[in-house]
Amino acid sequence: GENVEQHPSTLSVQEGDSAVIKCTYSDSASNYFPWYKQELGKRPQLIIDIRSNVGEKKDQRIAVTLNKTAKHFSLHITETQPEDSAVYFCAATPRDDKIIFGKGTRLHILP
Amino acid sequence: DAGITQSPRHKVTETGTPVTLRCHQTENHRYMYWYRQDPGHGLRLIHYSYGVKDTDKGEVSDGYSVSRSKTEDFLLTLESATSSQTSVYFCAISDRDRTNNEQFFGPGTRLTVL
Repeated sequence: GENVEQHPSTLSVQEGDSAVIKCTYSDSASNYFPWYKQELGKRPQLIIDIRSNVGEKKDQRIAVTLNKTAKHFSLHITETQPEDSAVYFCAATPRDDKIIFGKGTRLHILP
Repeated sequence: DAGITQSPRHKVTETGTPVTLRCHQTENHRYMYWYRQDPGHGLRLIHYSYGVKDTDKGEVSDGYSVSRSKTEDFLLTLESATSSQTSVYFCAISDRDRTNNEQFFGPGTRLTVL
């Protein structure tokens, strides 16, 4: 089955700097790659997603890139702010009705 | 937040007792999912449903069963709870025909098995 690896597990960056989280997947049939953000004590919420027919997608300070050949995708957050502190999950969809999540990255924004 | 609720929100039970968690939605979404979240493991899919009475196993289905007798409710049952099932359980819904697979999560249920 699909396996999603996510790195790093913890990331600390200075406020204003950029953060990058990387994921790899195993199933070449996966075609949808969402990213979820989970603040402490809250539920996960979708922040951005990308489909396999697109190489990059941006939404204000966040962007996601996808390399289908290498089976990896990344989340980029620029000009980080305190409210970006959270756990981020990448995911891949081996089938349209199932999503497999990575283990998460805890992002700390340092003042 | 999408119209999705979970009950109970917190539960403490003893090993060997049956436990049922309920997920209720008001969005009329076709797909419903149960995940468990544990430190170091992220979100792991237990079971999911793609319609009334249609369910399938996820990554960690052993020890769990589900039922979906109507669109709005998806029940997760632990027939005989074990300490390894202590976790936070999230329900999620999606309607890929309209929202491109986005999953909306419920508030979670914290289950402790003593």
